[in-house]
Amino acid sequence: DGGITQSPKYLFRKEGQNVTLSCEQNLNHDAMYWYRQDPGQGLRLIYYSQIVNDFQKGDIAEGYSVSREKKESFPLTVTSAQKNPTAFYLCATYRDRGRETQYFGPGTRLLVL
Amino acid sequence: GQNIDQPTEMTATEGAIVQINCTYQTSGFNGLFWYQQHAGEAPTFLSYNVLDGLEEKGRFSSFLSRSKGYSYLLLKELQMKDSASYLCAVRDGSDYKLSFGAGTTVTVRA
Repeated sequence: DGGITQSPKYLFRKEGQNVTLSCEQNLNHDAMYWYRQDPGQGLRLIYYSQIVNDFQKGDIAEGYSVSREKKESFPLTVTSAQKNPTAFYLCATYRDRGRETQYFGPGTRLLVL
Repeated sequence: GQNIDQPTEMTATEGAIVQINCTYQTSGFNGLFWYQQHAGEAPTFLSYNVLDGLEEKGRFSSFLSRSKGYSYLLLKELQMKDSASYLCAVRDGSDYKLSFGAGTTVTVRA
């Protein structure tokens, strides 16, 4: 099956703890993204990567970090510096050949204990 | 920067037609996307417009006017399952960064 896998589906974070959200894709797309969505709001871009070993900050990068060591993987770490991390986190890829579109993974819901 | 506006909520009756407008002001333009998002789920792709005009895909159509910075998504023969949030997104440059509007929640009533 081709697609984007995010894990876990639900994640609980304690105060002062760093947590890492996984995103894996087998679509062979170069570009990958992390978005945050708060209740009743649109998507806000955290980080994106257009190629392996390269990534750029989005609109709300503070308190987050990423890596892109492999084309298939783009993990997001929510650090203790992110004071309000409770949200729905979505990973996405971009197809730029043929009909352009952005595909989304199923999402991870992060809750603070 | 980006400024993408769409109405917050719309309500329509089953079987009717609803038009969701999206206006944008961007430093460049390289495509406009529409997504459907049901509560608690990830967005799913509906349409992509990069040239002016109407793209039709079954019950859904999307229109773009680049000179006016305007797009709409037209949903025909509404069904209860069409109750969802509809997101407008713009790719504004040569990189692959998209900016999203806040979304329009459509409620379909029997």
